[in-house]
Amino acid sequence: AQSVTQPDIHITVSEGASLELRCNYSYGATPYLFWYVQSPGQGLQLLLKYFSGDTLVQGIKGFEAEFKRSQSSFNLRKPSVHWSDAAEYFCAVAVSGGYNKLIFGAGTRLAVHP
Amino acid sequence: EPEVTQTPSHQVTQMGQEVILRCVPISNHLYFYWYRQILGQKVEFLVSFYNNEISEKSEIFDDQFSVERPDGSNFTLKIRSTKLEDSAMYFCASSEGPLGAFFGQGTRLTVV
Repeated sequence: AQSVTQPDIHITVSEGASLELRCNYSYGATPYLFWYVQSPGQGLQLLLKYFSGDTLVQGIKGFEAEFKRSQSSFNLRKPSVHWSDAAEYFCAVAVSGGYNKLIFGAGTRLAVHP
Repeated sequence: EPEVTQTPSHQVTQMGQEVILRCVPISNHLYFYWYRQILGQKVEFLVSFYNNEISEKSEIFDDQFSVERPDGSNFTLKIRSTKLEDSAMYFCASSEGPLGAFFGQGTRLTVV
């Protein structure tokens, strides 16, 4: 069955430091991959998506993610974190044929220290 | 920027009562979804809706649940007889196609 694993439940970084959030998926075919962010009391905002082509994708708010088929990973990165990036981040995979039937990871909660 | 709008933001209901959660998807979108997130758990797919019918539903989406697009703009989720375990954040989403769904802010449903 398809699944998404986010190994880190909580991550704390200092403002200005770089960030990498890990995501691994289990899916037989080429996946559609997404990263969403959820700020406290807010809905899920789409940060970026990968369907095909260039394996390094750029998103909003200065985020990028790299698809690595050999590692079944789609890690999210940001070179310099801002205090406003504190939120929960969800990796998701779309199931082929079900398009936007998204399978979500458990999420990684990011805290940013000043 | 267009957005998915959900009302109400918070609903408290007594066990056994019916609730209707409302959503206004982005206007040119054709696919509509409901997801839910029980506190402390993953976001889970409930149902997808396209061309005025359910295209896919999860095991969670049993006979107590129904969806409707009563007019050209609203998309509703009805829970006929709520149970304590239905307490969750319910998210509506919409998309043009396989481009990444846009989610609403969610409705927090509390069943007491």
